[in-house]
Amino acid sequence: DAGVIQSPRHEVTEMGQEVTLRCKPISGHNSLFWYRQTMMRGLELLIYFNNNVPIDDSGMPEDRFSAKMPNASFSTLKIQPSEPRDSAVYFCASSFPAGGETQYFGPGTRLLVL
Amino acid sequence: SQELEQSPQSLIVQEGKNLTINCTSSKTLYGLYWYKQKYGEGLIFLMMLQKGGEEKSHEKITAKLDEKKQQSSLHITASQPSHAGIYLCGALGGGSQGNLIFGKGTKLSVKP
Repeated sequence: DAGVIQSPRHEVTEMGQEVTLRCKPISGHNSLFWYRQTMMRGLELLIYFNNNVPIDDSGMPEDRFSAKMPNASFSTLKIQPSEPRDSAVYFCASSFPAGGETQYFGPGTRLLVL
Repeated sequence: SQELEQSPQSLIVQEGKNLTINCTSSKTLYGLYWYKQKYGEGLIFLMMLQKGGEEKSHEKITAKLDEKKQQSSLHITASQPSHAGIYLCGALGGGSQGNLIFGKGTKLSVKP
């Protein structure tokens, strides 16, 4: 299995631009998680989906952030407009209940907003 | 809300030495996960513990969950440079769908 796939791996953009991060979970996994990692705050859960339905988005910083999961094999995290404080590494992870809720992480997208 | 505190924050050891990393929870743990992260990469799953007193080993890494299920330790025997990285503990955050809360991590450096 290819594991969780994220794209792009690196993104540099200017403040005010729209940023879209993409994730393909492991086939057969029915839960998908978006995390953000910074030096100051560590790893924080932004939102998670179960069977393509958003379950908890309380970690989403503000309305500039939105996430979708149109089908079981694809999810996006969008930031519009982006700000310098959004600079971080964004991880996507997936899991399935029969696996004991173990989450498998993608390699992350390193975002820099200038 | 539940919080996980890891200690130490960073650790430098000589190759071949043993070391222990701790993870303490403010609430009872119902699932404790250990991950390893190398710089610029994603998190790699190491082990999961659920039962009080449970202990699991993989190669030279052993993780334990105490009887009260509020503290876990990760022990590395005869450390090697390949063990270097950031070790994070994560716990089920209480949501029914398995969302995890993470500690801030312990940065391990192994000097050859």
